[in-house]
Amino acid sequence: EAQVTQNPRYLITVTGKKLTVTCSQNMNHEYMSWYRQDPGLGLRQIYYSMNVEVTDKGDVPEGYKVSRKEKRNFPLILESPSPNQTSLYFCASSLSSRMRGYTFGSGTRLTVV
Amino acid sequence: GIQVEQSPPDLILQEGANSTLRCNFSDSVNNLQWFHQNPWGQLINLFYIPSGTKQNGRLSATTVATERYSLLYISSSQTTDSGVYFCAAYTGGGSYIPTFGRGTSLIVHP
Repeated sequence: EAQVTQNPRYLITVTGKKLTVTCSQNMNHEYMSWYRQDPGLGLRQIYYSMNVEVTDKGDVPEGYKVSRKEKRNFPLILESPSPNQTSLYFCASSLSSRMRGYTFGSGTRLTVV
Repeated sequence: GIQVEQSPPDLILQEGANSTLRCNFSDSVNNLQWFHQNPWGQLINLFYIPSGTKQNGRLSATTVATERYSLLYISSSQTTDSGVYFCAAYTGGGSYIPTFGRGTSLIVHP
């Protein structure tokens, strides 16, 4: 089944403790991206990747890191999480940057206390 | 950057009713997409529609790129249509960051 898999689905952590949210797709998509969704603010892109080893900042990159060492994986790293990073996070992938066939993961609800 | 506005922000329907959701965008776009977020939070791709009209069952969408708007039609609504509908616009031209609207929250009562 074609899908984007995110883990974990839920995560509660403490301020400053490094964490990684994994994202993997099995559709051989070139374009992958991370979003956060907050009430009243909608979906905002954090980082995106056009292909392996090619990443760039989205609208809200501060406090996040990403890497794209393999085509299928695009982990999101929070090196020192803070409470304002409490949010619902989505990974997405598509064939190209034009968003055709855009597929979202199931989401990760992160709480930083 | 491009502005994307959706209307109405909230919509309550009785099962079986029809509805039209609107998405206005402030600049020319390379593509326009509609998504549905169900009550469990899952985001589903509905239409990739930079221009023209597409239909998928009870849902259809029309984008008039020259007038900078897109419409999503839901006919004979069902309770499973409940959730939030987002449009997202992508301008291209070296920008690879889509802009999402704030969404239309739809509740369909049985």
